[in-house]
Amino acid sequence: ELKVEQNPLFLSMQEGKNYTIYCNYSTTSDRLYWYRQDPGKSLESLFVLLSNGAVKQEGRLMASLDTKARLSTLHITAAVHDLSATYFCAVPPAGGTSYGKLTFGQGTILTVHP
Amino acid sequence: EAGVAQSPRYKIIEKRQSVAFWCNPISGHATLYWYQQILGQGPKLLIQFQNNGVVDDSQLPKDRFSAERLKGVDSTLKIQPAKLEDSAVYLCASSLGAGAQYFGPGTRLLVL
Repeated sequence: ELKVEQNPLFLSMQEGKNYTIYCNYSTTSDRLYWYRQDPGKSLESLFVLLSNGAVKQEGRLMASLDTKARLSTLHITAAVHDLSATYFCAVPPAGGTSYGKLTFGQGTILTVHP
Repeated sequence: EAGVAQSPRYKIIEKRQSVAFWCNPISGHATLYWYQQILGQGPKLLIQFQNNGVVDDSQLPKDRFSAERLKGVDSTLKIQPAKLEDSAVYLCASSLGAGAQYFGPGTRLLVL
């Protein structure tokens, strides 16, 4: 059974600081997704990482994937209040038609304060 | 481009009643998903459709949950009879193949 663990689960950051959220998964997979969820809202796609070594950046967020280590990171640079949200990573099992069967992590609740 | 549409947005029912949710995916997206998100947790996939066929329903509690996508476009998810533990947000998503899944606003269900 595929398990996905995020670390930390709660993150309180000061504006302007940097931090990294980690996502570990238990079985082989060749891709990983990051989503953002604001309170009471639905999920917004942030990044789709499709291969080992993939790195994607959007604004103050950068995501990377190491399929050999079964690890993805979401790095936050110079945090601002608008980044406050819950961040989820999600992983499908490898191969076939199972690409849509995402297993989500528990989520990391990020709060950015002045 | 219009996003994933869902209705209703909120529903309150008593246990043992039935309820149905509707989803219209992004135009052209062949793959449609239903997820259950319990408060404080990540979404859990209930069922995945490719056009009007079921790809995966291994986590769907089939004794009480059913879903269909008869014409390969919109879909309905039904719970009958509902239990207290079914209180959750039900999210519909769609995708083009293995790309990002785009989520609708969700239906918040409260079972009393």
